[in-house]
Amino acid sequence: AQKVTQAQTEISVVEKEDVTLDCVYETRDTTYYLFWYKQPPSGELVFLIRRNSFDEQNEISGRYSWNFQKSTSSFNFTITASQVVDSAVYFCALSEPNTGNQFYFGTGTSLTVIP
Amino acid sequence: NAGVMQNPRHLVRRRGQEARLRCSPMKGHSHVYWYRQLPEEGLKFMVYLQKENIIDESGMPKERFSAEFPKEGPSILRIQQVVRGDSAAYFCASSPRGGALDTQYFGPGTRLTVL
Repeated sequence: AQKVTQAQTEISVVEKEDVTLDCVYETRDTTYYLFWYKQPPSGELVFLIRRNSFDEQNEISGRYSWNFQKSTSSFNFTITASQVVDSAVYFCALSEPNTGNQFYFGTGTSLTVIP
Repeated sequence: NAGVMQNPRHLVRRRGQEARLRCSPMKGHSHVYWYRQLPEEGLKFMVYLQKENIIDESGMPKERFSAEFPKEGPSILRIQQVVRGDSAAYFCASSPRGGALDTQYFGPGTRLTVL
């Protein structure tokens, strides 16, 4: 079973639009961590954010914001006033410290921002 | 402060040859992880190593694949007798404390093409 689901395979928006990338996770652990990474066309993976399961406070960092909802097992990522440089594949990931060492990645959402 | 370094960035091998992928973790990090990304897919965990020890190899194929992280020098992912299905991007990540509690920082990846 897929532990992290990113249902949106591809999204296109026009520059300056807001866009939300969805992430739904599945875990039986009470302690877990959620992450978002950005993979621009150059291919590297850039760490964006980490949340632990005990902190449901939403976070804002510049144009980026994250909405963590334990009730729906979701950790969605919103980019406000999108820019062309935001074009990338975005991955959501889950780690479960009590059950292993690995990160579980979703299949990614490819975001294209059109100028 | 240099990030995670991987080389080569691109590697082409013919079927049956060996592939060696190298990863130097971030300064101060002694925990290394290898992931494989197949086309159009998310990253899949392969192995987690600490200096001179394999901690978790639950994602590693049983045959032809091996990994090491010697006391001195980079971590090496070795694929013997490569086949076309091994073509993928291989990412290395490092963390300071290890395990699923810690944020993993990724290198730029090595793109392996098997002809």
